[in-house]
This record gives sequence, C-alpha cells and structure tokens, in this order.
Amino acid sequence: GDSVTQMEGPVTLSEEAFLTINCTYTATGYPSLFWYVQYPGEGLQLLLKATKADDKGSNKGFEATYRKETTSFHLEKGSVQVSDSAVYFCALSEYSNTGKLIFGQGTTLQVKP
Amino acid sequence: DGGITQSPKYLFRKEGQNVTLSCEQNLNHDAMYWYRQDPGQGLRLIYYSQIVNDFQKGDIAEGYSVSREKKESFPLTVTSAQKNPTAFYLCASSIEVAGNTGELFFGEGSRLTVL
Repeated sequence: GDSVTQMEGPVTLSEEAFLTINCTYTATGYPSLFWYVQYPGEGLQLLLKATKADDKGSNKGFEATYRKETTSFHLEKGSVQVSDSAVYFCALSEYSNTGKLIFGQGTTLQVKP
Repeated sequence: DGGITQSPKYLFRKEGQNVTLSCEQNLNHDAMYWYRQDPGQGLRLIYYSQIVNDFQKGDIAEGYSVSREKKESFPLTVTSAQKNPTAFYLCASSIEVAGNTGELFFGEGSRLTVL
C-alpha cells in the first residue's frame, strides 16, 4: 500500500542554519503531497502542498518540490528560527475518493538560539 | 471563528471504562476523521466519515466506535476493548471528499491517559 518515510529525528540546528528534512513516498497513481507542522501541545497545520509532479509548494520561507522521478518531497528552509521548532509531518493523499491522508512518522526540529 | 473544537483536552480513565471524545466543526465540511498519534509513529487513521450517517473503519479501528448523526459532530468512543488507549487523539475535517486535494483541518487534540 501507499506509504511515506521521513528522516529520523530529532534534528537540532542553530538559528539561521539551513534546514532539510527528507521525505520519500510509495504510491499508486499520482497523489498530492503535503507538509504539516505541529507546534507543542497543538494539532497539525498545513504548511505547504503540491498536487502534481514538479510543483513547488512554499509558505513562511519553507519550500518543497514534488519529484516524481525520485518519489521525494524534501522540506527546505534557508534560515531557521527558534519559532520553527516543531514536529514536521510529510503526507500524501490516497488516489481515491476518500480524502484520506497517509502520514510519515514525523521529524522533530529543535532550533537553538 | 470557524474551526474544529475537541474536548476535553486532557482525560484520565481507569481501565475498563469507556470514554467519549467530542469533535465539533463549524466549517461546513462534509468529511471528518479521527487519528491517533503515538510518539515516533506519526498519525494513524481510526475512523472517517464522508457523509452524515455513514462512516468507515480506518487502519486501527479495533476498540473504537464513532457516530455521525450531524454534519458538524463526529464523537469517538474509546471502549474497554482498546488494549492500549493512552495516546493523543486528533480530529480533522476536509471540505472535499472526492478527488485528492486532501487538505485536512485539525483540532487541537485530546490527550487520553489510562491510569
């Protein structure tokens, strides 16, 4: 079945460092891809999405490009801030009419001043 | 403000008791979902509902039950049959059912602890 694999965390960076969180997927059909962010004690919020190959999603300085050839959707940010500390989830939507999402295991990011 | 409201935020239960987690949305979304979150395991789908009076099992439905009597409400009951119920439970909704846009809107979660 469809699945999402994220890099293991936690990831610890200093403020203003470059961030990459790897995400690869296995899917039938052509899913949409998402990054969600979860701040401590809260639910998840959509960070960015891409609905077809070569699309680039971007928001709040974060970017991810839908790479069909490598089945990847890596999250990047050029300069992280302490406020970016959170858990990041990569997800794909099943190619069906259920609207279900399949999530990766999450990657914890800690940014130190 | 439009959104999803989950209650209670924290809940403690003794073994053998059933508990019900509330989820209400005023976004006029058709579809609603319950996910369970455990450390290091991401989110796993318990149940989902695409329309009133209909719902489907997700990947880990055993020991849980739901109802969808109103569009805006999707309560989850954690029964005594659930062997490891301590977890963080997240309710979500989406505007679209068909197609694969898949954007979900989440509540703030309910943390259940079994004593």
